Formats: sequence, structure tokens, C-alpha cells
Amino acid sequence: DVKVTQSSRYLVKRTGEKVFLECVQDMDHENMFWYRQDPGLGLRLIYFSYDVKMKEKGDIPEGYSVSREKKERFSLILESASTNQTSMYLCASIEPEDSQGGNTIYFGEGSWLTVV
Amino acid sequence: AQKITQTQPGMFVQEKEAVTLDCTYDTSDPSYGLFWYKQPSSGEMIFLIYQGSYDQQNATEGRYSLNFQKARKSANLVISASQLGDSAMYFCAMRESTGNQFYFGTGTSLTVIP
Repeated sequence: DVKVTQSSRYLVKRTGEKVFLECVQDMDHENMFWYRQDPGLGLRLIYFSYDVKMKEKGDIPEGYSVSREKKERFSLILESASTNQTSMYLCASIEPEDSQGGNTIYFGEGSWLTVV
Repeated sequence: AQKITQTQPGMFVQEKEAVTLDCTYDTSDPSYGLFWYKQPSSGEMIFLIYQGSYDQQNATEGRYSLNFQKARKSANLVISASQLGDSAMYFCAMRESTGNQFYFGTGTSLTVIP
């Protein structure tokens, strides 16, 4: 089974702190994603990466950066945490798509971040 | 424009009854995949069902079926014989064949009443 592991399940950080959220997948997937989930807003894409050292901005990249130094690891960085970044963060990875956009997305368990 | 629209923020269903969760999508790609995920209160996302755009028949997986109406661009999830454990958030998603992204709806919170 594919496994996507997020290093921290629950975090509490202070405003202005630098925060690292780590994600590791064990299926050699090229594509990895970071989403943010908020009530009523669903999942919003922050950044994604389709290869080592490659990254693309998603819909809400402001206040975030990412790092992909190894294929299996995709890190989300909050350079200076703010209270409006309190949220649940989901990491995911996918296989290359088939001809019908198939192959599902695999998620980690989520990281609940509270910024105080 | 929203790629995936879920218009029901919350739904209630009696235990053992069937329930339909609505999803409409928007794409100009002739090849795409449609997915439904369940998210219990614990937070993990659980894959439920997949429908390819060229599939002739509606997808089914146990008590889950996907009512795929291509002309209407709708992909509603039907859960038959609801159970208390079905109470969760449900997300509809789409992946186009031309990209690497998944597009998610805002979700529907389903509560099963005993």
C-alpha cells in the first residue's frame, strides 16, 4: 500500500515562528502536493512539485514556501507563521495519470496547525 | 470558474436510508476522472470511488455508486443503506488528463441519524 506520512499531527506555534511541515511518500511518486483545508472552503492547493527541486505555485502560495530535495520528501515551510495560517494541512502524492485522468491521490493523515 | 461544485454544505439521512450527494464539474478536457473521498472527523482522506469520462457504466463500489451524467456534467455519489459510520465529510474531485492537479469541491458534511 502507498503510504504518505506527515511528520507532525498536531502543532502549536507562536506568531512569527518558522514552521516546517514534513511529508514523505514511499511509492516513488513524482507528483506531490500540499493542501490547506478550512471549513466551508474545502481543499485549497498551496504548492505542488512534479520532480525533485521543481515546484509550482497553487492557488494560495502567499506566506508559504516548499522544498523538494529528494523525490520522496516534500516540505512545506511557513517563514513567519501568522494566526490566519491556523488550519489543517494535507500532503498528497499521485501516480502519473492514465488516459482518463485516473489513478487516485494518496493523502497523509493531516497536520493540525494552531498559530497563537 | 469553479472546477468542482458541491452545493450541499450539510446533509442528514436516516440510518438504513439512501442518500445522494451532489457534485457538478466544469472541464473542456474530453478525458478526465472523477473521484469521491470520505473524510471522517479524524482527518484522513479515504478514497471511495472513481469514474472515468469514457466509462459507459456508472461506477459502483459496495454501497457506493456514482451517478454519472456526462451531458449535465454531474457526478453524484449515492450511498445506499446508510450506516452511522458514514457520518463524515465527503469531497468530490476531478483530475483532467492534461494536468497533474486534482480539483476538489468544498465538501458535504453528512450526518447519519439513528
